Amino acid sequence: DAKTTQPNSMESNEEEPVHLPCNHSTISGTDYIHWYRQLPSQGPEYVIHGLTSNVNNRMASLAIAEDRKSSTLILHRATLRDAAVYYCILRDSGNTPLVFGKGTRLSVIA
Amino acid sequence: DTGVSQNPRHKITKRGQNVTFRCDPISEHNRLYWYRQTLGQGPEFLTYFQNEAQLEKSRLLSDRFSAERPKGSFSTLEIQRTEQGDSAMYLCASSLFVGATDTQYFGPGTRLTVL
Repeated sequence: DAKTTQPNSMESNEEEPVHLPCNHSTISGTDYIHWYRQLPSQGPEYVIHGLTSNVNNRMASLAIAEDRKSSTLILHRATLRDAAVYYCILRDSGNTPLVFGKGTRLSVIA
Repeated sequence: DTGVSQNPRHKITKRGQNVTFRCDPISEHNRLYWYRQTLGQGPEFLTYFQNEAQLEKSRLLSDRFSAERPKGSFSTLEIQRTEQGDSAMYLCASSLFVGATDTQYFGPGTRLTVL
């Protein structure tokens, strides 16, 4: 699986938007970009995924660069509950497992 | 609650003992995954099933580890002759795979401590 690069940590103020970057310069044409997050003392939780076009759901938005070599997870209004480790994962098909890196630890300040 | 459940939530054992963990996936999910997570690291893939068939095993899954999903529903992960290095959080996830990719739903994990 292609690798991703994420900042180790980020900080945000409550109710402000948060942009979590992910670089994946070696992405292949069939790689999906998945985001999961892990709240303290819980298992990971699916956030969003996309292939080429930007995606929106109730949790977040995913902005994918035109060349697909980077993407950004956007939380529109951070809450204290969004404090978690966010993982950006490339996956070339449903027949391969998720390969987690170290992710970005997001802290939200009240 | 209709999410993925795992039992027990915590297990403390002595080195050399055998342990078994259970995972109950979301009903109708055909795939079931096992991952292991140590402190400060992301989860690492161990193995996965589609229905009752074990389709892939990681090199992390030594001979002391065995997983089963006998009827394509719940799954068990057994570790024989536990070692201190086996101490970790063991996570189970399930998904409904019907096409190119799937969304995995994780359970709360079983924390294993080997003394």
